[in-house]
Amino acid sequence: NAGVTQTPKFRVLKTGQSMTLLCAQDMNHEYMYWYRQDPGMGLRLIHYSVGEGTTAKGEVPDGYNVSRLKKQNFLLGLESAAPSQTSVYFCASSYLASGTENSPLHFGNGTRLTVT
Amino acid sequence: QQPVQSPQAVILREGEDAVINCSSSKALYSVHWYRQKHGEAPIFLMILLKGGEQKGHDKISASFNEKKQQSSLYLTASQLSYSGTYFCGTGALSNSGYALNFGKGTSLLVTP
Repeated sequence: NAGVTQTPKFRVLKTGQSMTLLCAQDMNHEYMYWYRQDPGMGLRLIHYSVGEGTTAKGEVPDGYNVSRLKKQNFLLGLESAAPSQTSVYFCASSYLASGTENSPLHFGNGTRLTVT
Repeated sequence: QQPVQSPQAVILREGEDAVINCSSSKALYSVHWYRQKHGEAPIFLMILLKGGEQKGHDKISASFNEKKQQSSLYLTASQLSYSGTYFCGTGALSNSGYALNFGKGTSLLVTP
């Protein structure tokens, strides 16, 4: 049982380049989330999805786009990477809304992105 | 929107107790607690829902005071394996009410 899988694990980009991070879950979870983690800042919500075909903005959405075309996948795109987007990105999923229900988050192992 | 955690860091000797606090400026539906080891993903510990409940899991327990919008995580008789960074995540009545907002974390180091 794979759980939540993120690809790639590591990536180095130059300023202005674009890329897509892929998150896949095999637990049939309705809700999916993208967080970024920076030293001393904790986990900050970028975007989330409450079901296939839906997306919503979190705390720090600027510079990112997302898509949820299939229930099991949640893609995070960087259109024009900036050094400020150097971070560790975590995808997570939950069966129900994590904020309002008894439904824990299941995290992927993270993607370490460096923008030079 | 981030909940506030305190303290920022704690160093314990094996067998000692610790309390980590989490407070929010918003009315809360729920509080989650997670632990993260260096270089790994956060791992779920427990959820507390509004209703002022207290939960326990082995020697780790937590309380949730809905009226004060606060939660505390209690680690008793700490073990070396308890070392890591602890995060509280809160579900608040806000634009991101469906999702959790996490605090900045509390670094816990348990020494022999």
